[in-house]
Amino acid sequence: NAGVTQTPKFQVLKTGQSMTLQCAQDMNHEYMSWYRQDPGMGLRLIHYSVGAGITDQGEVPNGYNVSRSTTEDFPLRLLSAAPSQTSVYFCASSLGGHIYEQYFGPGTRLTVT
Amino acid sequence: AQTVTQSQPEMSVQEAETVTLSCTYDTSENNYYLFWYKQPPSRQMILVIRQEAYKQQNATENRFSVNFQKAAKSFSLKISDSQLGDTAMYFCAFMKHGAGANSKLTFGKGITLSVRP
Repeated sequence: NAGVTQTPKFQVLKTGQSMTLQCAQDMNHEYMSWYRQDPGMGLRLIHYSVGAGITDQGEVPNGYNVSRSTTEDFPLRLLSAAPSQTSVYFCASSLGGHIYEQYFGPGTRLTVT
Repeated sequence: AQTVTQSQPEMSVQEAETVTLSCTYDTSENNYYLFWYKQPPSRQMILVIRQEAYKQQNATENRFSVNFQKAAKSFSLKISDSQLGDTAMYFCAFMKHGAGANSKLTFGKGITLSVRP
């Protein structure tokens, strides 16, 4: 049982490049989400999913796309990276329903130059 | 919308002493959950303690306890017998009660706690 895994751990992009941050969980969790963490800002919700095929926007969705084709995977896509997207990205999951504890991945540190 | 406020950016405590981290929140919900997460230098987010709003009794987990004041919308974390391993950033977070989209967490900005030897 690996929990929530994220790849890569570190990434450097040039402005305008695209990439996908991967997130996977093996706990059969219904709910998955992406947060970004910036200094002095805490964690802010980017996108979330309440089940396969269902996604919705969080607090800061601009510049990011998501999809949820399987229960296990919830990738985050940056279509055209900008320096403002330099951040640490966390994926989290929970069983859903009234089981509220969320499990976080180890994070991806992304730098856009 | 919910907001979570952690007004102290940094705190320091001597090893073995007690420290209290403050958190206030604003919501129109009556049923919700509150959490404290710890983020050590490893960056991993670790759940420290949680409180259900409908429970009057304050949650306790070993050296960690909360003072939950629902009317005042206050949720402070007390760490007793502080240890060097408690050095970390601590986040207060709010979640509505219920399923689906209510599983979203709203975080405060965090407080950096340093435990001095």
